[in-house]
Amino acid sequence: GAVVSQHPSWVICKSGTSVKIECRSLDFQATTMFWYRQFPKQSLMLMATSNEGSKATYEQGVEKDKFLINHASLTLSTLTVTSAHPEDSSFYICSAGGLAGGTGAEQYFGPGTRLTVT
Amino acid sequence: AQSVSQHNHHVILSEAASLELGCNYSYGGTVNLFWYVQYPGQHLQLLLKYFSGDPLVKGIKGFEAEFIKSKFSFNLRKPSVQWSDTAEYFCAVGGNAGNMLTFGGGTRLMVKP
Repeated sequence: GAVVSQHPSWVICKSGTSVKIECRSLDFQATTMFWYRQFPKQSLMLMATSNEGSKATYEQGVEKDKFLINHASLTLSTLTVTSAHPEDSSFYICSAGGLAGGTGAEQYFGPGTRLTVT
Repeated sequence: AQSVSQHNHHVILSEAASLELGCNYSYGGTVNLFWYVQYPGQHLQLLLKYFSGDPLVKGIKGFEAEFIKSKFSFNLRKPSVQWSDTAEYFCAVGGNAGNMLTFGGGTRLMVKP
């Protein structure tokens, strides 16, 4: 159990376009989902925390108008990178928490989405 | 603010050597501690976690970690590493339900056959 999927697994887009990344909890309901960004050979940096039905909480330095997060249901959160630029190229990872029967403090990670902006 | 520090950025070991990766944290409340592993080309997987109780936590694949509250540490250990343990290891700290995780910088482990 506790499987999190992301789609797409990789995407290449042109500068100026927008890209949507989906994060789904497949076999549990996630009250909270987290979006991370990982640069090559670096650690994960939290971008934002999203709770179902409410606005996401963004970390300092993350542009909320550029990285739009929608947590429409307990099993789906989306991250839209708007007007992407080459510096947005990165590995985006989501995680889901609030596993039913668990402590709530556990998070389960998706496989990540590699975004390349040309 | 919470923070996590992993002192070893790169570790190279031979098979059968013992492993200890350091993790120190700062957090102003009830702390939950995690070690995650990321094998090459794969996503993060949970190795072990500490929420409360016995400070010596056993995880998967022969890994264990010890929570030492007085030292704010949660070091990861394995008595005998294998080539398949080559991966990047992340220590993370979080609070109670729904709270975010803060990750350390990661330790890249290479095990030579």
